[in-house]
Amino acid sequence: DTGVSQDPRHKITKRGQNVTFRCDPISEHNRLYWYRQTLGQGPEFLTYFQNEAQLEKSRLLSDRFSAERPKGSFSTLEIQRTEQGDSAMYLCASSPLGIGNQPQHFGDGTRLSIL
Amino acid sequence: AQSVTQLDSQVPVFEEAPVELRCNYSSSVSVYLFWYVQYPNQGLQLLLKYLSGSTLVESINGFEAEFNKSQTSFHLRKPSVHISDTAEYFCAVSAGQGAQKLVFGQGTRLTINP
Repeated sequence: DTGVSQDPRHKITKRGQNVTFRCDPISEHNRLYWYRQTLGQGPEFLTYFQNEAQLEKSRLLSDRFSAERPKGSFSTLEIQRTEQGDSAMYLCASSPLGIGNQPQHFGDGTRLSIL
Repeated sequence: AQSVTQLDSQVPVFEEAPVELRCNYSSSVSVYLFWYVQYPNQGLQLLLKYLSGSTLVESINGFEAEFNKSQTSFHLRKPSVHISDTAEYFCAVSAGQGAQKLVFGQGTRLTINP
């Protein structure tokens, strides 16, 4: 069990640029989640995949945000035309498919800073 | 919709003193409750969980939490804290069956003073 891996750990970019983050879940986990955490706040749900299917999206996920999980393994989160308000920690989590509600395991996150 | 309220944003305590971090939730359906801990520049680590069964759940490092349905609470306690417990603690709720998003509280920063 190598844990959830996120890349990059830090991203600094200018306003208006596009950025893409990658998440590699724990290998046997079917479910993958993206959250956003701003300074001093708890994480907020963005979107969720079961295998390659995106099953739920938060209204926080504007049309500038897109997430994919093409082969049901790793996932990418892209933000187009970044804005100052996008500065945050983006967290990925995964959980197994099982009976009841399985705990989510988090990666160390990607910290995005918009200049 | 579910919501979580952590009543204290910061809790300073002395080493070896007991501590309680408070968490209240609201939900119209059955819930699953979690406590996560976050160290600086890291992701969240699961501390303990209530899924069903006994309302008192314990972690391997001495923390415990009790699910109280009538008071809609899931407070976290430890009888004697250590410097290494200094971190941000998040209470989270997930409602209904199957894979559901987690709704987090605002977090409580626990600071242990020597």
